[in-house]
Amino acid sequence: GENVEQHPSTLSVQEGDSAVIKCTYSDSASNYFPWYKQELGKRPQLIIDIRSNVGEKKDQRIAVTLNKTAKHFSLHITETQPEDSAVYFCAASGGGGADGLTFGKGTHLIIQP
Amino acid sequence: DAGITQSPRHKVTETGTPVTLRCHQTENHRYMYWYRQDPGHGLRLIHYSYGVKDTDKGEVSDGYSVSRSKTEDFLLTLESATSSQTSVYFCAISRTSGGAGTDTQYFGPGTRLTVL
Repeated sequence: GENVEQHPSTLSVQEGDSAVIKCTYSDSASNYFPWYKQELGKRPQLIIDIRSNVGEKKDQRIAVTLNKTAKHFSLHITETQPEDSAVYFCAASGGGGADGLTFGKGTHLIIQP
Repeated sequence: DAGITQSPRHKVTETGTPVTLRCHQTENHRYMYWYRQDPGHGLRLIHYSYGVKDTDKGEVSDGYSVSRSKTEDFLLTLESATSSQTSVYFCAISRTSGGAGTDTQYFGPGTRLTVL
């Protein structure tokens, strides 16, 4: 089945700087790659997603890039703000196995004032 | 938030007792999922449903069963709860899943289950 690796597990950046979180996946048939943000005690919330026919997608300060050949995708957050502090999860879906998302283990993003 | 509720929101139970968690949606989405979330493991798929009475196993299905008798309800049952099943359980829904039609999954608020 699909395996998703996510790095780093913890990322601390100064407010205003950029943050980058990277994920790799194993199943070349995967075609959908969402990113979720989860605040403490809350449900995961979708922040951006990308499909395999697109190489990059942006939404204001957030962008995701996908390299299908290398089987990796990344989340980029620019001009970080205190409210960006949370745990971020990447995921992959649509491969040849069972339906549902396979998640990375998460990145705890800390924005230092 | 999508119209998804989970009940109960918190539960403490003892080892060996049966437990049923309920997920209810008002979006009329076809696909429903159960995930568990544990520190250091992210979210892992337990079971999913692709229609009424149509279910399949996920990555960590041992010790769990599910049922879906109506579009809006998806039940997760722990037949005999064990301490290893202490976790936060999230339900999710989507209009489509897999292949070319993969769609966004929206999550419910979660159920925190403690098995003593």
